[in-house]
Amino acid sequence: DAEITQSPRHKITETGRQVTLACHQTWNHNNMFWYRQDLGHGLRLIHYSYGVQDTNKGEVSDGYSVSRSNTEDLPLTLESAASSQTSVYFCASSESGTGLIGELFFGEGSRLTVL
Amino acid sequence: QKEVEQDPGPLSVPEGAIVSLNCTYSNSAFQYFMWYRQYSRKGPELLMYTYSSGNKEDGRFTAQVDKSSKYISLFIRDSQPSDSATYLCAMSGAGNNRKLIWGLGTSLAVNP
Repeated sequence: DAEITQSPRHKITETGRQVTLACHQTWNHNNMFWYRQDLGHGLRLIHYSYGVQDTNKGEVSDGYSVSRSNTEDLPLTLESAASSQTSVYFCASSESGTGLIGELFFGEGSRLTVL
Repeated sequence: QKEVEQDPGPLSVPEGAIVSLNCTYSNSAFQYFMWYRQYSRKGPELLMYTYSSGNKEDGRFTAQVDKSSKYISLFIRDSQPSDSATYLCAMSGAGNNRKLIWGLGTSLAVNP
């Protein structure tokens, strides 16, 4: 079965360190997204990609970067982790063209703690 | 004012109750309306999908869209403990307005 997997599921790091969260999907979807979810703020879009070599900033992109070198993967990098980036991060993908607008398939989440 | 408003709850009901979850929105360009369910420590999953106005039913779940009032609802009949989760509404326009806008989510507990 097609799926979307995130790793690591849990990570604790220190302020100032670089962190990369991996996202791999086997749906063969063109669209991929990174969200963070925090109490009181809900899901907020960090970065998204509509295809290989395409990346776009979301509403909370400062301090984060992504790259899309193939269809399956969209790693999220925190250049210099800050305590404000302690959160649960979700990767999602969706089909372009024939897919339903707004139908996203989510990973299980990566819980990041920055000390 | 947020584009999408959703009462975060928590909402606690006895098993078998009818549950009503609601979202209001301000952008009249929204045409696609979704309800996602999120279990604790899991990612959201699409539960119901509605285009434009009207009702859609799927088993115990009914999604209702009232575009004139900018109001959407999710009804759960004969609620079960397995329905305990956070329910997030999401909506989108078409074309250049395809950005997905999320509600904060409503936490629901169904007690046996």
